[in-house]
Amino acid sequence: GDSVTQMEGPVTLSEEAFLTINCTYTATGYPSLFWYVQYPGEGLQLLLKATKADDKGSNKGFEATYRKETTSFHLEKGSVQVSDSAVYFCAFRIQGAQKLVFGQGTRLTINP
Amino acid sequence: DADVTQTPRNRITKTGKRIMLECSQTKGHDRMYWYRQDPGLGLRLIYYSFDVKDINKGEISDGYSVSRQAQAKFSLSLESAIPNQTALYFCATSDLGRDRGYTFGSGTRLTVV
Repeated sequence: GDSVTQMEGPVTLSEEAFLTINCTYTATGYPSLFWYVQYPGEGLQLLLKATKADDKGSNKGFEATYRKETTSFHLEKGSVQVSDSAVYFCAFRIQGAQKLVFGQGTRLTINP
Repeated sequence: DADVTQTPRNRITKTGKRIMLECSQTKGHDRMYWYRQDPGLGLRLIYYSFDVKDINKGEISDGYSVSRQAQAKFSLSLESAIPNQTALYFCATSDLGRDRGYTFGSGTRLTVV
């Protein structure tokens, strides 16, 4: 069935390190892809999205490229900050489908 | 005010009690959703509604019911709470655009003892 697999956390990095959080999906149709971020005590917020193959979503220094051939949507940031500490969720929605399918989330902690 | 407001923020209840979680939105979105979040499991869909007359079960609807009282209000009920319903519950809304994301509330942390 449709599913999302994310890199298991927790992930701990030092400030200014390079970040990659892997995400792969299994979908029966042609999905739109999303990354959501959840800061402590808050709900999820849309971080970035991509709707077709080879699209790159970007926001707040984060990027992810829609790779249809590898069914992946890895999240990257070149230099993380303490304020990036949060839980990150990869998700997709099939065209015409009624709901988002979420991965299990990856907890990221950035140390000063 | 937040676009999607959930009440209460935290709740502790006893096994067997009925409890209602409420969600209201000012986004003007037609679609509303209830998810639960458990550690290591991500978010799982409980129920969703596309308008006041449309209610649909998600992947884990057993033990839950919902009511869409108005376009802006969507409540989730646990008729007889059990400990494995202890979780963080999120309400979300979306509009008709296929590539637009959801707007989430801040969540309700429910503990069933």
